[in-house]
Amino acid sequence: EDKVVQSPLSLVVHEGDTVTLNCSYEVTNFRSLLWYKQEKKAPTFLFMLTSSGIEKKSGRLSSILDKKELFSILNITATQTGDSAIYLCAEALQGAQKLVFGQGTRLTINP
Amino acid sequence: DVKVTQSSRYLVKRTGEKVFLECVQDMDHENMFWYRQDPGLGLRLIYFSYDVKMKEKGDIPEGYSVSREKKERFSLILESASTNQTSMYLCASHQVSGANVLTFGAGSRLTVL
Repeated sequence: EDKVVQSPLSLVVHEGDTVTLNCSYEVTNFRSLLWYKQEKKAPTFLFMLTSSGIEKKSGRLSSILDKKELFSILNITATQTGDSAIYLCAEALQGAQKLVFGQGTRLTINP
Repeated sequence: DVKVTQSSRYLVKRTGEKVFLECVQDMDHENMFWYRQDPGLGLRLIYFSYDVKMKEKGDIPEGYSVSREKKERFSLILESASTNQTSMYLCASHQVSGANVLTFGAGSRLTVL
């Protein structure tokens, strides 16, 4: 089964910094790659990526997919304490209904 | 506002007890899922269901069973809870025709003593 690996597993930065979170995946049955944000409640959907090189953007968050090198990054600029959360990356597979998740990156933004 | 509701946010049970975790969605989604979340391991799929009374094992089904008697409700059952089942349990759902974008419940944190 395809495996999804996120790095770093934990990251602590100061407010205002820019962070880049990484997600690599295996390609056997790739359909799309999804990012979620999880605070102390339900994970909420951020982005879905299916095509290489097309940046998805929402406010200070952006994400891009590289299907040749099999990875995605999630960028957060001008971080705020409200960005503190676990960020989850997941791969959707062709012909399957489930998602395969990475370990998650725990991001802490200090004031 | 569409949502997935998990009946219990926090539970404390004793080893050997039977545990029921309930999940209800109001989006008329065909597919429902139970994931377990542990630090450093991410979300791991326990079971999923693609229709009423239909279920498939996920990656870690041992020690768990599920029930889906109605489309909107998917229950996770621990027949005899063990300490290694202490974890956060997340329920989620999506439409078959959708892009596999899961909508999650808030989670049920289970502690087994």
